[in-house]
Amino acid sequence: QSALTQPASVSGSPGQSITISCTGTSSDVGGYNYVSWYQQHPGKAPKVMIYDVSNRPSGVSNRFSGSKSGNTASLTISGLQAEDEADYYCSSYASSSTVIFGGGTKLTVL
Amino acid sequence: EVQLVESGGGLVKPGGSQRLSCAASGFTFSSYTMSWVRQAPGKGLQWVSSISSSGTYIYYVDSVKGRFTISRDNAKNSLYLQMNSLRAEDTAVYYCAKAGYYDSRTWFDPWGQGTLVTVSS
Repeated sequence: QSALTQPASVSGSPGQSITISCTGTSSDVGGYNYVSWYQQHPGKAPKVMIYDVSNRPSGVSNRFSGSKSGNTASLTISGLQAEDEADYYCSSYASSSTVIFGGGTKLTVL
Repeated sequence: EVQLVESGGGLVKPGGSQRLSCAASGFTFSSYTMSWVRQAPGKGLQWVSSISSSGTYIYYVDSVKGRFTISRDNAKNSLYLQMNSLRAEDTAVYYCAKAGYYDSRTWFDPWGQGTLVTVSS
């Protein structure tokens, strides 16, 4: 299974909104509503921000939202804040009973 | 508070073995699928293996099948990863992660702090 495809980097100014895409196939992203998104600050463990495409765990800001269309999932962060600067990874359950991650996207808050 | 604490990382020679452990606390360990996810230095995340709450169902990424063995001891609230025939490409931080929801294998929450395994001569 190949990694899901994410842009290497995105950037935005404080207060703006950004969207990170995550493209897979019908065997993973397109085939299941099991896409999740993780935030990772340098030297820290990943933290789940979105699960099952669009659900936010307790404690995660409502500035984070997720969606999916066909084989592409998206993470949108609205009202960008300096603390949002981090690496973001998508993941999806796949038909081979495995979990696949994206290559990661570095978010820079200008 | 849920806590996951990995241990057992270190420097190992190619072809060698290493056993990782993950001590869990703050939740009913025996009710949740547990997983290992790794991250090579400067690289992205890669799911390695998952084991169901009872240990009945086990899954591996193709690249470690036949070399790695995941196991758990529910009486000790502990997860393990026995790694044999290690290769340079196995060098990574290994994270222990709890299923987001019972025996779901689709998302991970939370993750431990990770333990670094370096495979080098």
